Amino acid sequence: DAMVIQNPRYQVTQFGKPVTLSCSQTLNHNVMYWYQQKSSQAPKLLFHYYDKDFNNEADTPDNFQSRRPNTSFCFLDIRSPGLGDAAMYLCATSRVLGQGAWGEKLFFGSGTQLSVL
Amino acid sequence: QKEVEQNSGPLSVPEGAIASLNCTYSDRVSQSFFWYRQYSGKSPELIMSIYSNGDKEDGRFTAQLNKASQYVSLLIRDSQPSDSATYLCAVKLVRRTYKYIFGTGTRLKVLA
Repeated sequence: DAMVIQNPRYQVTQFGKPVTLSCSQTLNHNVMYWYQQKSSQAPKLLFHYYDKDFNNEADTPDNFQSRRPNTSFCFLDIRSPGLGDAAMYLCATSRVLGQGAWGEKLFFGSGTQLSVL
Repeated sequence: QKEVEQNSGPLSVPEGAIASLNCTYSDRVSQSFFWYRQYSGKSPELIMSIYSNGDKEDGRFTAQLNKASQYVSLLIRDSQPSDSATYLCAVKLVRRTYKYIFGTGTRLKVLA
């Protein structure tokens, strides 16, 4: 089945030790998103790619970086994780049908729960 | 003002009752609205989407949209204990950025 896959499901890292979360999709969707969700909070958009065009949210810390080497894969790099970065990280995709088209839903992966010790 | 606002709850309803969940949004030109259900520790799953004013029904779920009031709601009829979860309202912003903004969610508890 076509889907969005996130690895690993749980990730433990040490304070300040770089960590990379991965996301892959078999849906051939042109938009990929990374959301951060802390307990009892809304998913917060960190950045998204429309094809190869990178869109960073203004309040996303510089500590967070992303790469999309091809349509199928997208990575979230946290250069120096702090205790406040412990959260669920959600990868999502959507399909854009054409300029001005709207209405496509988000397809979510299962998420990566990041712990920082 | 937050872009998407929801009452965090918890909203407690007895089994078999109607649960009513509400959401307001600030971007007047938003066109697409979604309700996601999220169980603890899991990722969100889509329940309903709605794009036009009025009601949209799917099984036990009804989404209602009022663009003039910038208000969207979700009704769950015959609530079941398995409906106990957090319900997230999401709004897709127009423009080229293709952004989806979420509310903080309303936690629903259905009491058996």
